[in-house]
Amino acid sequence: DADVTQTPRNRITKTGKRIMLECSQTKGHDRMYWYRQDPGLGLRLIYYSFDVKDINKGEISDGYSVSRQAQAKFSLSLESAIPNQTALYFCATSDPLAGQDNEQFFGPGTRLTVL
Amino acid sequence: DQQVKQNSPSLSVQEGRISILNCDYTNSMFDYFLWYKKYPAEGPTFLISISSIKDKNEDGRFTVFLNKSAKHLSLHIVPSQPGDSAVYFCAATTSGTYKYIFGTGTRLKVLA
Repeated sequence: DADVTQTPRNRITKTGKRIMLECSQTKGHDRMYWYRQDPGLGLRLIYYSFDVKDINKGEISDGYSVSRQAQAKFSLSLESAIPNQTALYFCATSDPLAGQDNEQFFGPGTRLTVL
Repeated sequence: DQQVKQNSPSLSVQEGRISILNCDYTNSMFDYFLWYKKYPAEGPTFLISISSIKDKNEDGRFTVFLNKSAKHLSLHIVPSQPGDSAVYFCAATTSGTYKYIFGTGTRLKVLA
C-alpha cells in the first residue's frame, strides 16, 4: 500500500466551484506539505504543517486554504476555483527524526483542471 | 524570484555515458540540497542529498557535487541507463526550517 495517498487523482471542475483535495499518510510523519507543479515552474510550495495545530503559508498560498484534521490527514481547498489553478498538485510528508537525509515523501499527485 | 534554478529544461544522453544535471541557487542561507527523480504519473522520489559541509556525496551511480562559492550543484549519473529517463528536480533548504525550494526540473532522456 502507498504510504502517501491523494484523492482524487484527476478532477475537472468549473470556474467558481469549491474543490477539496485530500491527502492521507501512513508514515506517521508530523510534517506535511502541499505543492503545485506547473510546466516550466517546477514545484512551488502552497502550504505546510508541522503538526495538527501548526499551519504555515508557502510561496503561493493566495486562493488556497488547508485543514490538518489529524496527523495523518492534510486537505487543500480551493474556495472558488479559477482557470490558472489548473495544475498538478502534490502532497508530501517528512520527518527528519526518522531519516538522516531530510527527504520528503510525495503522493502520486492530483491533476486538477479548472474550466 | 527563482531562488533555485535549473537552466536546462532537457538533456539527452546515450546509454552508458555520463549525465550531468546542473542546479544554481541564490540564497546563501541554504545549507542542504536534495535531488528528486520524477516519472510520469508518479510523485517525485528522493534520489540523493548533500549537506553544505561536504562538497561531494556518492551513492552508487549517482554523485552530487556542491560548489558553495559558485552556489552551484550538479548531479552526475554514470553510467546512464534508459531507466534513468525522468524529470530531475533539485531542492534546497535551510536547516531547521524544513521548508524546501525546488528548481524547475530537467527532463533527462537516456537513449538506448
